[in-house]
Amino acid sequence: DGGITQSPKYLFRKEGQNVTLSCEQNLNHDAMYWYRQDPGQGLRLIYYSQIVNDFQKGDIAEGYSVSREKKESFPLTVTSAQKNPTAFYLCASSIMQGSSYNEQFFGPGTRLTVL
Amino acid sequence: SQQGEEDPQALSIQEGENATMNCSYKTSINNLQWYRQNSGRGLVHLILIRSNEREKHSGRLRVTLDTSKKSSSLLITASRAADTASYFCATDAPIDDKIIFGKGTRLHILP
Repeated sequence: DGGITQSPKYLFRKEGQNVTLSCEQNLNHDAMYWYRQDPGQGLRLIYYSQIVNDFQKGDIAEGYSVSREKKESFPLTVTSAQKNPTAFYLCASSIMQGSSYNEQFFGPGTRLTVL
Repeated sequence: SQQGEEDPQALSIQEGENATMNCSYKTSINNLQWYRQNSGRGLVHLILIRSNEREKHSGRLRVTLDTSKKSSSLLITASRAADTASYFCATDAPIDDKIIFGKGTRLHILP
């Protein structure tokens, strides 16, 4: 089965802790993305990567970090510098040739709650 | 930054009726996409329409694009309970190679 997996589904964090959200895809896609979704809102881009070992900041990168050591994996770390991290986090991937020309495939999401 | 804006924000219709959602955007685009999101889930791609296309169909979905008005509409015909979801349009970012999502229309199909 081809697709994108995210884990965990639910994550609870104490203030001051860093947490890492996992995203794995077996679609052989070059591009991967992380979005944040707040209740009743659209998606806001955190980081994206078009090739291994390279990534770019999106619109709301402050307080987040990523790595892209393997084509299949694009983990997101929510650091203690992110002041309001409670949200629904979505990972996506697409064939590279210009993201607007290709559909994005989404994972099921991780709901992060800060206690 | 450029963003598609959906209208209405929320829509409730009876099962079997048609549902129409609109998306307006600010600057020229190459493509416009529509996605569906069931509650608490990831988004699912529905349809992509290119700037040189005016209409596209996929099953019970019909998408139109009017570049002169900078708007698109998504029509779902003969709605079903399973169509209850949020629907988002996504447009090109003006400078770099990303897409930007609107805030979505929440569609509720009444039995």
